[in-house]
Amino acid sequence: ETGVTQTPRHLVMGMTNKKSLKCEQHLGHNAMYWYKQSAKKPLELMFVYNFKEQTENNSVPSRFSPECPNSSHLFLHLHTLQPEDSALYLCASSHSTGTSNQPQHFGDGTRLSIL
Amino acid sequence: EDQVTQSPEALRLQEGESSSLNCSYTVSGLRGLFWYRQDPGKGPEFLFTLYSAGEEKEKERLKATLTKKESFLHITAPKPEDSATYLCAVHLNTDKLIFGTGTRLQVFP
Repeated sequence: ETGVTQTPRHLVMGMTNKKSLKCEQHLGHNAMYWYKQSAKKPLELMFVYNFKEQTENNSVPSRFSPECPNSSHLFLHLHTLQPEDSALYLCASSHSTGTSNQPQHFGDGTRLSIL
Repeated sequence: EDQVTQSPEALRLQEGESSSLNCSYTVSGLRGLFWYRQDPGKGPEFLFTLYSAGEEKEKERLKATLTKKESFLHITAPKPEDSATYLCAVHLNTDKLIFGTGTRLQVFP
């Protein structure tokens, strides 16, 4: 496999459920990102990991909990979500943070719906 | 405040009808600018990186240009398969990436 793979592609959950989103990259990159994409809004950066260390948390509510066990895998653990959390969650990777103008490469996202 | 604005929000073209998409920005320090294409149900796909004013990049029917205040994505003789949302993102000197809201392009045969 190549590129950035996200699972599941679609997820419907109730507000009291706990679920996890998974992202895997096969590009040999060292930085990984979580973004939220809502209709008619710009992509919102949530978390950044560089060489497995979290380098940015963009004021994300604690009901979203990221985990990066190694440079190839990134998880987003979800619990007690709200209806406004329904969105497309995108994972991206890049060579590393701070690397001059290396683009981020995105997965196809997980479409999350909160009932 | 750093800001990226894309226009128009939506664009409908007849096949073969050339046009341009705009990405204007006011930022504190620009490291570069990226263009992405996003198809429905898919993640953004990287198209171009532009580093400095005056630079141009081309790929098939697409050409991206950059000035000190804005970037254009020119589409020459578009085909229906060019239909997608086109996103620009500004890479700041702080390493932060700021995305625009995109232009949704529809090309009709």
